[in-house]
Amino acid sequence: DTAVSQTPKYLVTQMGNDKSIKCEQNLGHDTMYWYKQDSKKFLKIMFSYNNKELIINETVPNRFSPKSPDKAHLNLHINSLELGDSAVYFCASSLGTAYEKLFFGSGTQLSVL
Amino acid sequence: KQEVTQIPAALSVPEGENLVLNCSFTDSAIYNLQWFRQDPGKGLTSLLLIQSSQREQTSGRLNASLDKSSGRSTLYIAASQPGDSATYLCAVTETSGSRLTFGEGTQLTVNP
Repeated sequence: DTAVSQTPKYLVTQMGNDKSIKCEQNLGHDTMYWYKQDSKKFLKIMFSYNNKELIINETVPNRFSPKSPDKAHLNLHINSLELGDSAVYFCASSLGTAYEKLFFGSGTQLSVL
Repeated sequence: KQEVTQIPAALSVPEGENLVLNCSFTDSAIYNLQWFRQDPGKGLTSLLLIQSSQREQTSGRLNASLDKSSGRSTLYIAASQPGDSATYLCAVTETSGSRLTFGEGTQLTVNP
Protein backbone atom coordinates (compact mmCIF):
# COMPACT_ATOMS: atom_id res chain seq x y z
CA ASP A 1 0.00 0.00 0.00
CA THR A 2 1.25 3.47 -0.88
CA ALA A 3 1.80 5.53 2.26
CA VAL A 4 1.21 8.98 0.73
CA SER A 5 -0.63 9.01 -2.55
CA GLN A 6 -1.47 12.00 -4.68
CA THR A 7 -3.44 12.31 -7.86
CA PRO A 8 -3.09 13.07 -10.64
CA LYS A 9 0.57 12.37 -11.38
CA TYR A 10 0.50 14.65 -14.41
CA LEU A 11 -1.75 17.64 -15.04
CA VAL A 12 -1.66 19.68 -18.23
CA THR A 13 -4.07 22.56 -18.47
CA GLN A 14 -4.69 25.96 -20.02
CA MET A 15 -4.02 29.28 -18.34
CA GLY A 16 -7.04 30.55 -16.45
CA ASN A 17 -8.45 27.13 -15.60
CA ASP A 18 -9.18 25.86 -12.09
CA LYS A 19 -7.71 22.52 -11.03
CA SER A 20 -7.37 20.35 -7.93
CA ILE A 21 -4.74 17.93 -6.70
CA LYS A 22 -5.70 15.32 -4.13
CA CYS A 23 -3.57 13.76 -1.42
CA GLU A 24 -4.24 10.94 0.99
CA GLN A 25 -2.05 9.28 3.61
CA ASN A 26 -2.70 5.95 5.30
CA LEU A 27 0.00 6.28 7.95
CA GLY A 28 -2.21 7.68 10.68
CA HIS A 29 -0.16 10.88 10.71
CA ASP A 30 -1.51 14.09 12.20
CA THR A 31 0.27 16.57 9.94
CA MET A 32 0.20 17.00 6.19
CA TYR A 33 1.99 19.43 3.90
CA TRP A 34 2.07 20.78 0.39
CA TYR A 35 5.44 21.62 -1.16
CA LYS A 36 6.26 23.18 -4.50
CA GLN A 37 9.38 22.20 -6.43
CA ASP A 38 10.28 24.67 -9.12
CA SER A 39 12.27 24.16 -12.31
CA LYS A 40 15.52 24.61 -10.39
CA LYS A 41 14.48 21.71 -8.13
CA PHE A 42 14.16 23.97 -5.11
CA LEU A 43 11.56 22.71 -2.63
CA LYS A 44 9.50 25.23 -0.74
CA ILE A 45 6.68 24.69 1.71
CA MET A 46 3.29 26.11 0.84
CA PHE A 47 0.90 24.86 3.52
CA SER A 48 0.79 22.62 6.56
CA TYR A 49 -2.23 21.18 8.34
CA ASN A 50 -2.35 19.46 11.70
CA ASN A 51 -5.53 17.52 12.44
CA LYS A 52 -7.41 19.52 9.80
CA GLU A 53 -6.20 22.86 11.17
CA LEU A 54 -4.01 25.18 9.10
CA ILE A 55 -0.70 25.77 10.90
CA ILE A 56 1.57 27.05 8.12
CA ASN A 57 0.52 29.32 5.32
CA GLU A 58 3.53 30.64 3.47
CA THR A 59 3.38 33.61 1.14
CA VAL A 60 1.31 31.90 -1.49
CA PRO A 61 -1.21 33.63 -3.79
CA ASN A 62 -4.74 33.24 -2.53
CA ARG A 63 -5.55 31.47 -5.79
CA PHE A 64 -4.17 28.44 -3.93
CA SER A 65 -6.59 27.04 -1.39
CA PRO A 66 -5.88 23.90 0.62
CA LYS A 67 -8.68 21.86 2.09
CA SER A 68 -8.44 19.12 4.69
CA PRO A 69 -11.73 17.23 5.09
CA ASP A 70 -10.07 14.92 7.63
CA LYS A 71 -6.55 14.38 8.89
CA ALA A 72 -5.84 11.72 6.25
CA HIS A 73 -6.58 14.03 3.33
CA LEU A 74 -5.19 17.34 2.18
CA ASN A 75 -6.29 18.61 -1.20
CA LEU A 76 -4.99 21.62 -3.10
CA HIS A 77 -7.26 23.68 -5.30
CA ILE A 78 -5.80 26.26 -7.65
CA ASN A 79 -7.92 28.94 -9.28
CA SER A 80 -7.11 30.93 -12.41
CA LEU A 81 -3.94 29.02 -13.21
CA GLU A 82 -0.96 31.02 -14.45
CA LEU A 83 2.12 30.01 -16.42
CA GLY A 84 4.26 30.51 -13.32
CA ASP A 85 2.29 27.85 -11.47
CA SER A 86 3.97 25.17 -13.58
CA ALA A 87 5.99 23.04 -11.15
CA VAL A 88 5.94 19.73 -9.36
CA TYR A 89 3.72 19.74 -6.28
CA PHE A 90 4.49 17.30 -3.50
CA CYS A 91 2.26 16.23 -0.66
CA ALA A 92 3.90 14.97 2.52
CA SER A 93 2.95 13.86 6.01
CA SER A 94 4.55 13.43 9.41
CA LEU A 95 3.46 12.02 12.72
CA GLY A 96 3.49 15.27 14.67
CA THR A 97 3.95 18.97 14.11
CA ALA A 98 7.62 19.09 14.97
CA TYR A 99 8.69 17.80 11.60
CA GLU A 100 9.43 14.27 12.49
CA LYS A 101 10.41 12.03 9.62
CA LEU A 102 8.55 13.20 6.54
CA PHE A 103 6.94 10.86 4.07
CA PHE A 104 6.43 12.26 0.57
CA GLY A 105 4.05 11.45 -2.21
CA SER A 106 5.44 10.90 -5.71
CA GLY A 107 4.48 14.37 -6.90
CA THR A 108 2.09 15.98 -9.37
CA GLN A 109 3.72 17.59 -12.36
CA LEU A 110 1.58 20.57 -13.31
CA SER A 111 2.08 22.19 -16.71
CA VAL A 112 0.16 25.34 -17.48
CA LEU A 113 0.07 26.21 -21.18
CA LYS B 1 15.69 33.70 7.71
CA GLN B 2 17.20 30.22 7.56
CA GLU B 3 19.23 29.43 4.46
CA VAL B 4 20.50 25.98 3.58
CA THR B 5 23.35 25.46 1.13
CA GLN B 6 24.59 22.20 -0.33
CA ILE B 7 27.98 21.67 -1.88
CA PRO B 8 28.73 20.39 -4.43
CA ALA B 9 25.71 20.89 -6.67
CA ALA B 10 26.69 17.83 -8.67
CA LEU B 11 29.12 15.00 -8.15
CA SER B 12 30.17 12.13 -10.40
CA VAL B 13 32.24 9.27 -8.97
CA PRO B 14 33.25 5.75 -10.00
CA GLU B 15 31.59 2.84 -8.29
CA GLY B 16 33.15 1.81 -4.98
CA GLU B 17 34.32 5.24 -3.88
CA ASN B 18 33.53 6.68 -0.48
CA LEU B 19 32.08 10.18 -0.74
CA VAL B 20 30.93 13.10 1.36
CA LEU B 21 28.09 15.49 0.67
CA ASN B 22 28.03 18.78 2.53
CA CYS B 23 25.19 20.86 3.94
CA SER B 24 25.44 24.17 5.76
CA PHE B 25 22.76 26.28 7.41
CA THR B 26 22.83 29.87 8.61
CA ASP B 27 20.74 29.69 11.80
CA SER B 28 21.99 27.13 14.32
CA ALA B 29 18.73 27.21 16.30
CA ILE B 30 17.43 24.04 14.71
CA TYR B 31 15.22 21.26 16.00
CA ASN B 32 16.53 18.58 13.69
CA LEU B 33 18.14 17.98 10.32
CA GLN B 34 17.06 15.44 7.74
CA TRP B 35 18.75 13.99 4.68
CA PHE B 36 16.52 12.93 1.81
CA ARG B 37 17.02 11.15 -1.47
CA GLN B 38 15.07 12.06 -4.60
CA ASP B 39 15.05 9.87 -7.67
CA PRO B 40 14.05 11.39 -11.03
CA GLY B 41 10.27 11.76 -11.31
CA LYS B 42 9.76 10.50 -7.79
CA GLY B 43 9.06 11.93 -4.37
CA LEU B 44 11.57 12.30 -1.58
CA THR B 45 12.61 9.46 0.67
CA SER B 46 13.86 10.28 4.15
CA LEU B 47 17.25 8.68 4.75
CA LEU B 48 18.38 9.94 8.13
CA LEU B 49 17.06 12.29 10.77
CA ILE B 50 19.41 13.82 13.33
CA GLN B 51 17.96 15.55 16.38
CA SER B 52 19.71 18.74 17.46
CA SER B 53 21.09 16.96 20.52
CA GLN B 54 22.69 14.22 18.43
CA ARG B 55 26.02 14.23 16.63
CA GLU B 56 25.41 11.53 14.05
CA GLN B 57 23.09 8.88 12.70
CA THR B 58 23.93 5.77 10.72
CA SER B 59 21.91 3.59 8.41
CA GLY B 60 23.71 0.90 6.46
CA ARG B 61 26.34 2.53 4.25
CA LEU B 62 25.11 6.01 5.16
CA ASN B 63 26.38 8.14 8.00
CA ALA B 64 25.19 11.65 8.70
CA SER B 65 26.91 13.99 11.12
CA LEU B 66 25.72 17.24 12.63
CA ASP B 67 27.74 20.12 14.05
CA LYS B 68 25.01 22.49 15.11
CA SER B 69 27.29 25.20 16.45
CA SER B 70 29.08 25.58 13.14
CA GLY B 71 25.94 25.08 11.08
CA ARG B 72 27.18 22.05 9.18
CA SER B 73 26.14 18.52 8.36
CA THR B 74 27.76 15.89 6.20
CA LEU B 75 26.37 12.77 4.58
CA TYR B 76 28.97 10.06 4.14
CA ILE B 77 28.25 7.29 1.66
CA ALA B 78 30.55 4.30 1.85
CA ALA B 79 31.37 2.03 -1.08
CA SER B 80 29.10 3.87 -3.49
CA GLN B 81 26.99 1.90 -5.97
CA PRO B 82 25.25 2.91 -9.22
CA GLY B 83 21.95 2.55 -7.37
CA ASP B 84 22.99 5.43 -5.14
CA SER B 85 22.66 7.79 -8.11
CA ALA B 86 20.01 10.35 -7.14
CA THR B 87 19.67 13.88 -5.81
CA TYR B 88 20.39 14.19 -2.10
CA LEU B 89 18.75 17.01 -0.16
CA CYS B 90 19.23 18.18 3.37
CA ALA B 91 16.57 20.05 5.29
CA VAL B 92 16.55 21.72 8.69
CA THR B 93 13.64 22.27 11.05
CA GLU B 94 13.59 25.45 13.07
CA THR B 95 13.19 25.17 16.83
CA SER B 96 9.60 26.28 16.59
CA GLY B 97 9.04 23.03 14.72
CA SER B 98 6.98 24.75 12.12
CA ARG B 99 9.43 25.42 9.31
CA LEU B 100 11.43 22.94 7.25
CA THR B 101 13.94 24.60 4.94
CA PHE B 102 15.50 22.59 2.13
CA GLY B 103 18.82 22.96 0.41
CA GLU B 104 18.97 22.81 -3.36
CA GLY B 105 20.42 19.33 -3.38
CA THR B 106 23.49 17.51 -4.65
CA GLN B 107 22.99 15.47 -7.79
CA LEU B 108 25.08 12.32 -7.41
CA THR B 109 26.02 10.02 -10.27
CA VAL B 110 27.85 6.79 -9.50
CA ASN B 111 29.37 5.30 -12.64
CA PRO B 112 29.73 1.51 -13.03
